[in-house]
Amino acid sequence: DGGITQSPKYLFRKEGQNVTLSCEQNLNHDAMYWYRQDPGQGLRLIYYSQIVNDFQKGDIAEGYSVSREKKESFPLTVTSAQKNPTAFYLCASSMARETEQFFGPGTRLTVL
Amino acid sequence: KQEVTQIPAALSVPEGENLVLNCSFTDSAIYNLQWFRQDPGKGLTSLLLIQSSQREQTSGRLNASLDKSSGRSTLYIAASQPGDSATYLCVTNFGNEKLTFGTGTRLTIIP
Repeated sequence: DGGITQSPKYLFRKEGQNVTLSCEQNLNHDAMYWYRQDPGQGLRLIYYSQIVNDFQKGDIAEGYSVSREKKESFPLTVTSAQKNPTAFYLCASSMARETEQFFGPGTRLTVL
Repeated sequence: KQEVTQIPAALSVPEGENLVLNCSFTDSAIYNLQWFRQDPGKGLTSLLLIQSSQREQTSGRLNASLDKSSGRSTLYIAASQPGDSATYLCVTNFGNEKLTFGTGTRLTIIP
């Protein structure tokens, strides 16, 4: 089965902690993306990567970090510097940046 | 800056009816436009992708149209079913990494 997986589905974090959200794809896609979704708002781009070992900031990168050591994996770390991290996080991938994007099932992060 | 508007924000229709969801965008220099559905607490499922050179795309009971000159796209759903209840998102792509998402139309099909 080809697709994108995200884990965990739910994540709880205490204030001041860093947490890492996993995103894996077996679609052989070059490009991967992280979005944040808040109630009543459209998705906002956090980071994206067009190729292994390269990534770029999106519109709301402050307080987040990523790595792209493997083509299949694009983990997102939510650091303690992110002031309002409670949100639904979605990972996506595409063959190239102008082609159709496919999304994972999402991770809901709650800060306690 | 591209803005994507979807009106209405919510729509309820009886089962079996045909319906149209609307999407408008301010910058017509798009590379493609994609329609997604999102169920509560879930990721986005791609429904249809229309390239800028195309006028429409069809998949089963779904038909999406694109009119770049007027900055509009519609998603037509025929013979609606309760399983069609979801939020539908319209997304424009300029051929780069910067997609612009609408805030969606929450559709409820009444059995």
